[in-house]
Amino acid sequence: AQSVAQPEDQVNVAEGNPLTVKCTYSVSGNPYLFWYVQYPNRGLQFLLKYITGDNLVKGSYGFEAEFNKSQTSFHLKKPSALVSDSALYFCAVRATYNQGGKLIFGQGTELSVKP
Amino acid sequence: GAVVSQHPSWVICKSGTSVKIECRSLDFQATTMFWYRQFPKQSLMLMATSNEGSKATYEQGVEKDKFLINHASLTLSTLTVTSAHPEDSSFYICSARGTQGNSYYGYTFGSGTRLTVV
Repeated sequence: AQSVAQPEDQVNVAEGNPLTVKCTYSVSGNPYLFWYVQYPNRGLQFLLKYITGDNLVKGSYGFEAEFNKSQTSFHLKKPSALVSDSALYFCAVRATYNQGGKLIFGQGTELSVKP
Repeated sequence: GAVVSQHPSWVICKSGTSVKIECRSLDFQATTMFWYRQFPKQSLMLMATSNEGSKATYEQGVEKDKFLINHASLTLSTLTVTSAHPEDSSFYICSARGTQGNSYYGYTFGSGTRLTVV
């Protein structure tokens, strides 16, 4: 079965410090991986995706993620956190085509960046 | 970039009434729409997938007679919560996937609808 795990419910970081939000996945075949951010009472905003190619993917707002096939991970990173980065972050994997190509989401990680 | 407009942003309705939520793709043709439900600080739960002109495919455990999904055009999908009850109160989000010309637009989300049934 295809799945995504975000092992941390919450991550706390001081402003200016690097941040990492962890994600591991389980899929058959090559994974299509995504990161989204959600602010309170809002929809999801796309940050970045990995389809193929370079393992280091750069996305919006200074975020990046590294695809690691051997560890089946796709951790989200940012070199210097901002207070405005505080939000709920979701990792997702695209299901296979015969499952409708839907996105399967992790449980979410709440990022809190303190000044 | 791709934009999906979802409204209303929030709605309060009385128990037993029906509520319709709309999602429109503004600058691309949404061949597929996904409807999600989200509880506070929890993940998104896929309710159903609809392809334009076809009946929606519902996830296991989702009542198709209660959550009516219509995707009659390439730019509009609606979710109707029929005979709403307080336990239907939740945050509903749509996501569209499609094309415009030679461009492909994948998984663009609406801004969500907060439904409160009283």
